Amino acid sequence: QVQLVESGGGVVQPGRSLRLSCAASGFTFRNYGMHWVRQAPGKGLEWVAVMSPDGSDVYYADSVKGRFTISRDNSKNTLHLQMNSLRAEDTAVYYCAKTTRGYNYGYDYWGQGTLVTVSS
Amino acid sequence: ETTLTQSPAFMSATPGDKVNISCKASQDIDDDMNWYQQKPGEAPIFIIQEATTLVPGIPPRFGGSGYGTDFTLTINNIESEDAAFYFCLQHDNFPFTFGPGTKVDIK
Repeated sequence: QVQLVESGGGVVQPGRSLRLSCAASGFTFRNYGMHWVRQAPGKGLEWVAVMSPDGSDVYYADSVKGRFTISRDNSKNTLHLQMNSLRAEDTAVYYCAKTTRGYNYGYDYWGQGTLVTVSS
Repeated sequence: ETTLTQSPAFMSATPGDKVNISCKASQDIDDDMNWYQQKPGEAPIFIIQEATTLVPGIPPRFGGSGYGTDFTLTINNIESEDAAFYFCLQHDNFPFTFGPGTKVDIK
C-alpha cells in the first residue's frame, strides 16, 4: 500500500534552516508529481511547492519562494524540502502529498505530517 | 489565485441525516475539485475526485456535484464514523488552494 512518511521536523530558531524528507513506498515514485502542503496551528491548509515526476518543473507559493527548495531523488524514492531563512510564520505541520497523475492534479495520498516550530 | 469559500464551518448532524457542504470558487475551475476527510491525528483521506467521482473504496453514501464555481459534497444517511473535518481542494491552477474546512459532528 502507498505510504508517505515525513521526517526532519523540529524546533528551530528564526533565520536558521531545516530540511524535511518524505520517504515514499508502495508506488512507482518516479511517475508522480509530489507536493508539500502545510498547516499552521489553528489555520487552514496552504500549498507550499510541487515538483514534476522527473524534476523538470517546480513551482512555489509566493510565501516561500526564494527561501524553500523542493527536490527529489527518484533512485531513493524520497522527496525533500530545504527550508532556509525560517520565520515564525513558517511554523506548521508539513505534509507531503502524491498526485493522482502528472503534477497538476489533486492528491490521492498524504503523509501524516511533520511539525516545524520556528521560535527563539 | 483562486479563493475557495466553504460553508458551513461547523455542523452537527444526527445519524441518518443528509448533509451538504458547499465549496465556492472565486473563478471558474471546471471540475478540478477534490474533497477530503480528515480525522484528528490522521492523514487526509481522498473521497471525491474531479468534483463528482467517488474514489474507489469510499462508501457510496458520499457524493459530489458541481462544475465551474459551485460545488457540493453530500453525505447521505450519515453515520457516526463520518464525524470528521472535510475540506475541498482546487487543482485547476497554481497555487493550489484549499477551502477552510467544515467540522461535522454527529449527535
